Amino acid sequence: GAGVSQSPSNKVTEKGKDVELRCDPISGHTALYWYRQSLGQGLEFLIYFQGNSAPDKSGLPSDRFSAERTGGSVSTLTIQRTQQEDSAVYLCASSLQGRSYNSPLHFGNGTRLTVT
Amino acid sequence: EDKVVQSPLSLVVHEGDTVTLNCSYEVTNFRSLLWYKQEKKAPTFLFMLTSSGIEKKSGRLSSILDKKELFSILNITATQTGDSAVYLCAVIGQAGTALIFGKGTTLSVSS
Repeated sequence: GAGVSQSPSNKVTEKGKDVELRCDPISGHTALYWYRQSLGQGLEFLIYFQGNSAPDKSGLPSDRFSAERTGGSVSTLTIQRTQQEDSAVYLCASSLQGRSYNSPLHFGNGTRLTVT
Repeated sequence: EDKVVQSPLSLVVHEGDTVTLNCSYEVTNFRSLLWYKQEKKAPTFLFMLTSSGIEKKSGRLSSILDKKELFSILNITATQTGDSAVYLCAVIGQAGTALIFGKGTTLSVSS
C-alpha cells in the first residue's frame, strides 16, 4: 500500500485479556517503530526493528509487552494480561533507513486501545 | 539521558498571527531533528533538519536548527484555523537508535 497500515483501528478489551496489534509498513522500508501515545502526552518509544538486526526493546514498559517482525515486513505488538493503564493509541511507523539513518518516519493512523 | 523539551505546551492565537514554537534537545551523537504535525491521527512529517543555520521552508511554515545552542524553532506565519494541531519535535541520535519525541505543542488558531 501507499502508507503504513495498522489494524484494528480501535480495540476494546477487558482487563486481563491479551491483545495483538498489527502493523504493515511501507514496502521497502527496513526500519519499523512502535510508539505509544497516552491522552495529552507525547510519543513514548516502545520498540524498534532495523533490518535483520536484533530489535531495540529498551522502551517496552514491562514483560507483558512483546513484538515481532516476520520476514522483515509485518509487525505484531502483543500485550498480555492487559491493564487499564495500557489504554492508549499505539502508533506504528516505518522509514527507509539508508546508511545515514536520516530518513523521516511515516506513521500509521494508530490503534486506539481501551482496556475496561 | 537523551531528552527533547518543547515549549510552550499550548498556545492560542487568532487567525493571521505569527507563531514560534520551540524545541530544545540533549542527545548523544545528534544526527537530525524532525518536526511533525499531528491533527487527529497519524503525525505527518514537516521538516528534517541536519545542519545549523539553514532554513527549511514550506509555504507559511519554516524551521531552523542551532546545533551550538541545541534548539530548533518552527515558525508559522499568517496562521489559519487549519494550522490547529499538535506540533511534535523529535531527534535522531546515535546510529541505530529510535526517534525521541518531545511532548508536543498544542496550537489552537481561532477565527
